[in-house]
Amino acid sequence: DTAVSQTPKYLVTQMGNDKSIKCEQNLGHDTMYWYKQDSKKFLKIMFSYNNKELIINETVPNRFSPKSPDKAHLNLHINSLELGDSAVYFCASSRLNRGGSYNEQFFGPGTRLTVL
Amino acid sequence: GQQVMQIPQYQHVQEGEDFTTYCNSSTTLSNIQWYKQRPGGHPVFLIQLVKSGEVKKQKRLTFQFGEAKKNSSLHITATQTTDVGTYFCAGRGRDDKIIFGKGTRLHILP
Repeated sequence: DTAVSQTPKYLVTQMGNDKSIKCEQNLGHDTMYWYKQDSKKFLKIMFSYNNKELIINETVPNRFSPKSPDKAHLNLHINSLELGDSAVYFCASSRLNRGGSYNEQFFGPGTRLTVL
Repeated sequence: GQQVMQIPQYQHVQEGEDFTTYCNSSTTLSNIQWYKQRPGGHPVFLIQLVKSGEVKKQKRLTFQFGEAKKNSSLHITATQTTDVGTYFCAGRGRDDKIIFGKGTRLHILP
C-alpha cells in the first residue's frame, strides 16, 4: 500500500545511454513532481505536472523529459546520460485544492542513478 | 528569480540542546512547508504555514512564519537522537513555483 513508488531503486549505467525511471502514486493526487538531489543533498525541482500543465525548471537540460501516461504515473526519461546526471531522483505528488493552493508533497523512496 | 536561503548548512548539537534553522525568501511567499529527511531516506512532510505571523507546534518542534511572509524558522527543543537528519524548507511563490532551501543537516552528539 505504498503511497508513492519508484522503480528502479538503483540504476547504474554508462555515459551516453538512455534510461527511464518510473513513478506511480496511489493517493489520487493530481499533481506530480520530479526532483534531483545531488551529492551535497541539495534538492532541486525539475518538473511539476498535472493534467493541465507541465512546468519545467528552466535549468533542466532538454535531455530530461517527463512522460505521463495517466494521472497516477509520471515517468522520467533521460537521453544521452552524462556523468553529472549521477544523483538521487525523487518523485513526489500532491493534491491541488479548489482554491488553487497545494497540500503537502508525498515523496517516493528515490532512485539512485550512477553514470559511469 | 525567487531564491530561498536556508541557514545554517550544518549544525552539531549535544543531545538535549536546542536547535534552530532559518529560511529567508527573496520574495513574498504564498506558503512555506517544512520537510525532514533522515539519512538514506526521502523527504517527509512536517508542516505547512500559510498565514502571516503564524506559529505552529508539534511536540518539541515550533514553526514560525514571518509577518512579511518572507522568512520562517523551525526550532527543536531538547534535541534527541531521533531528530538527526536534514531539515528543508520549501517556499511556494505567488507564481506557484516551489523553491526548496538547501537544507540544514543536524547532527546530534550523544
